[in-house]
Amino acid sequence: QQPVQSPQAVILREGEDAVINCSSSKALYSVHWYRQKHGEAPVFLMILLKGGEQKGHDKISASFNEKKQQSSLYLTASQLSYSGTYFCGPGGSQGNLIFGKGTKLSVKP
Amino acid sequence: DAGVIQSPRHEVTEMGQEVTLRCKPISGHNSLFWYRQTMMRGLELLIYFNNNVPIDDSGMPEDRFSAKMPNASFSTLKIQPSEPRDSAVYFCASSSGVGYEQYFGPGTRLTVT
Repeated sequence: QQPVQSPQAVILREGEDAVINCSSSKALYSVHWYRQKHGEAPVFLMILLKGGEQKGHDKISASFNEKKQQSSLYLTASQLSYSGTYFCGPGGSQGNLIFGKGTKLSVKP
Repeated sequence: DAGVIQSPRHEVTEMGQEVTLRCKPISGHNSLFWYRQTMMRGLELLIYFNNNVPIDDSGMPEDRFSAKMPNASFSTLKIQPSEPRDSAVYFCASSSGVGYEQYFGPGTRLTVT
């Protein structure tokens, strides 16, 4: 089953903050976050691993709550380049990812 | 180092025809994934391989779809016969292991008329 992302879309002004949430109905072993710009392929942002280890992006952070089976992506002081669709991909026990439908983020000047 | 290579980038075909999509993963990566992306369903995992062996093909929509990975540097996704509802962007991705970050190819935009 696909994870549920919220919000589905958000519009920001440059410099504003945003939070994107991801909820899974299955136990999480890891969570991946990817960003896709229009007409391009998804690009890896970050992995959060069970046990708290985090890898990824300088200016974007994330949290991972194993008990609640949720993850959140935090974008602070947004830039125009942050625009795109953000996907979370919870990893199952096999390590394969099931992506959500994405959150479309638009940053305006 | 070259990224994931997919061909063709665009494919337009008529219903009933066979379609073959190709993927060359990043050298040294031993996991390969095929995804399909549509507006309605988002980014769906079709099948993935580890060390050239198919691990999970539960996402393959029906028997018309098949995928092979004859060696570590090449994979194909075949649709036979194609139908208009197969129209989508098909992505191939590779990683250094299942659970590691995935690197996506540019995708193949398939249109079935």
